[in-house]
Amino acid sequence: EAGVAQSPRYKIIEKRQSVAFWCNPISGHATLYWYQQILGQGPKLLIQFQNNGVVDDSQLPKDRFSAERLKGVDSTLKIQPAKLEDSAVYLCASSLVSVSTDTQYFGPGTRLTVL
Amino acid sequence: LAKTTQPISMDSYEGQEVNITCSHNNIATNDYITWYQQFPSQGPRFIIQGYKTKVTNEVASLFIPADRKSSTLSLPRVSLSDTAVYYCLVDAGRRALTFGSGTRLQVQP
Repeated sequence: EAGVAQSPRYKIIEKRQSVAFWCNPISGHATLYWYQQILGQGPKLLIQFQNNGVVDDSQLPKDRFSAERLKGVDSTLKIQPAKLEDSAVYLCASSLVSVSTDTQYFGPGTRLTVL
Repeated sequence: LAKTTQPISMDSYEGQEVNITCSHNNIATNDYITWYQQFPSQGPRFIIQGYKTKVTNEVASLFIPADRKSSTLSLPRVSLSDTAVYYCLVDAGRRALTFGSGTRLQVQP
């Protein structure tokens, strides 16, 4: 079974530039999550999709972050404009259903450095 | 939402059993306890999940006392490859996971 795919793996940009990350979840997984992990901390949820609808985006900085999941499969996360404090690893995860007891499968992440 | 407390770091040697205890005093009746493992430059990986008493799989065991206010992840005979960050999570009724800072386990030869 193929895992969660993410690209790019690394990205370096200057502040005020824009950047986009892509995620392809495990086939058949209805729920997709984007997490932000700052160095030395645990992952923090940014947004959760159930199919192509948003379930929870309460911690997404909506003035600069946006995400979409067209057709309920792939997803993109965009930052525009980026700030220095956005430097982090952005993790995508997926699960079959959307209950907390369901196993989430994480991708390798995209490491973003904002200069 | 139940908050968890776990040691920041632990050290062990190859072949030893490692026990990482997590405190979750405010756990709710319908909360499950889940542990994830994260290696450098990788996303977290599910290890084990339980509700009460003891759960064992091919990787680890999870011990949960009757009051469920704490839990212990037990890794038998660790190897260098078990060096990672281990996260204890308590969630139910929420769809996403709430991670703390985890426990950094360093296994020495």
